Amino acid sequence: DAKTTQPNSMESNEEEPVHLPCNHSTISGTDYIHWYRQLPSQGPEYVIHGLTSNVNNRMASLAIAEDRKSSTLILHRATLRDAAVYYCILRDASNTGNQFYFGTGTSLTVIP
Amino acid sequence: DGGITQSPKYLFRKEGQNVTLSCEQNLNHDAMYWYRQDPGQGLRLIYYSQIVNDFQKGDIAEGYSVSREKKESFPLTVTSAQKNPTAFYLCASSKFLGGSSSLHFGNGTRLTVT
Repeated sequence: DAKTTQPNSMESNEEEPVHLPCNHSTISGTDYIHWYRQLPSQGPEYVIHGLTSNVNNRMASLAIAEDRKSSTLILHRATLRDAAVYYCILRDASNTGNQFYFGTGTSLTVIP
Repeated sequence: DGGITQSPKYLFRKEGQNVTLSCEQNLNHDAMYWYRQDPGQGLRLIYYSQIVNDFQKGDIAEGYSVSREKKESFPLTVTSAQKNPTAFYLCASSKFLGGSSSLHFGNGTRLTVT
């Protein structure tokens, strides 16, 4: 299974940008990079995903390295509501089941 | 609003009893999934279904069973054979199985077995 590596925890000051890294050195050419975040006692929430090019949406930006072996989730201005566990996962574009690995994620603390 | 409904939010059972967790979606998604989460851990895949009347085992299927008789519903039964059933269970769906399709999660059922 293609897997990801993330730091266990990170801190950020409120209203400052946050860069959450993810390493996926075994990524295959058909793997999409997905990011989700989870608040305590809730289900994960979709944040963003991409394949090769950088992606932006209303929640965040996703920067993908040229060799695709790493990516960074960027929260442009952290708020207290962004405090959560962030998961970076790989999902195969093909119709297989080999695409659902969630690690332990990065626990983001936002300091007021 | 479209989404995934898991019920109940909290469930308590005695050891040795089977228990069924409900998951319903109104997103018209083909694929559905069950994950288990233990304290401080990531999510582990139990079962997934690509289409009605078809489902596949995930990494930790032992002691669990599922059915997919309707597109909207994917109930999970935790059987007495599951050695450590106490956990947070999450149901998810996606338009299709492929990686370009994002996952939508319910808010989970916390099962406690004593």
